[in-house]
Amino acid sequence: DAKTTQPPSMDCAEGRAANLPCNHSTISGNEYVYWYRQIHSQGPQYIIHGLKNNETNEMASLIITEDRKSSTLILPHATLRDTAVYYCIVRATAGGGGNKLTFGTGTQLKVEL
Amino acid sequence: DAGVIQSPRHEVTEMGQEVTLRCKPISGHDYLFWYRQTMMRGLELLIYFNNNVPIDDSGMPEDRFSAKMPNASFSTLKIQPSEPRDSAVYFCASSSGLRQFFGPGTRLTVL
Repeated sequence: DAKTTQPPSMDCAEGRAANLPCNHSTISGNEYVYWYRQIHSQGPQYIIHGLKNNETNEMASLIITEDRKSSTLILPHATLRDTAVYYCIVRATAGGGGNKLTFGTGTQLKVEL
Repeated sequence: DAGVIQSPRHEVTEMGQEVTLRCKPISGHDYLFWYRQTMMRGLELLIYFNNNVPIDDSGMPEDRFSAKMPNASFSTLKIQPSEPRDSAVYFCASSSGLRQFFGPGTRLTVL
């Protein structure tokens, strides 16, 4: 699986957009970009995933660059409840590993008043 | 659906004792994963099953750890004998596609 690089921490004001970057310069053509988050003391929670097109759901938007070497997760209106560690994971959808995920250290997002 | 259910939520035991963690996956999911999370090592995959069959146990730290999935609705992770360095939060997750759904975790403390 391709390695990902994320900033260790970010701050965001409540109500503003939170833009979380992720670099995955060694991504392969069949690898998806997944985002999960982990709120303190809870299990990780799926947010969104994409291959090459931008994606949006009720939680967030995912912007993937044309060369697919980086992506940005956007929380359009961050709230205090969005304070969490956000993990960017690259994973192929098929193969012997099923959908096994490898979590890195993620980005600690702190949303403040 | 109630989501992934794990029990117990907290476990405190003494070194040398046997510990059994339990997981009930979401009905219909055909993949089940066991993860361990510590401050030092982060979130790491221990083992995963597909249709009740263990597929990859390369993350299991040593022979003291064992996992079973006797049927589609139940899995156990056993540590025998337990050691203080096994203290961690253990998560179970299940999946039927690209998304994994995690349980609330079991916080294990080995004294």
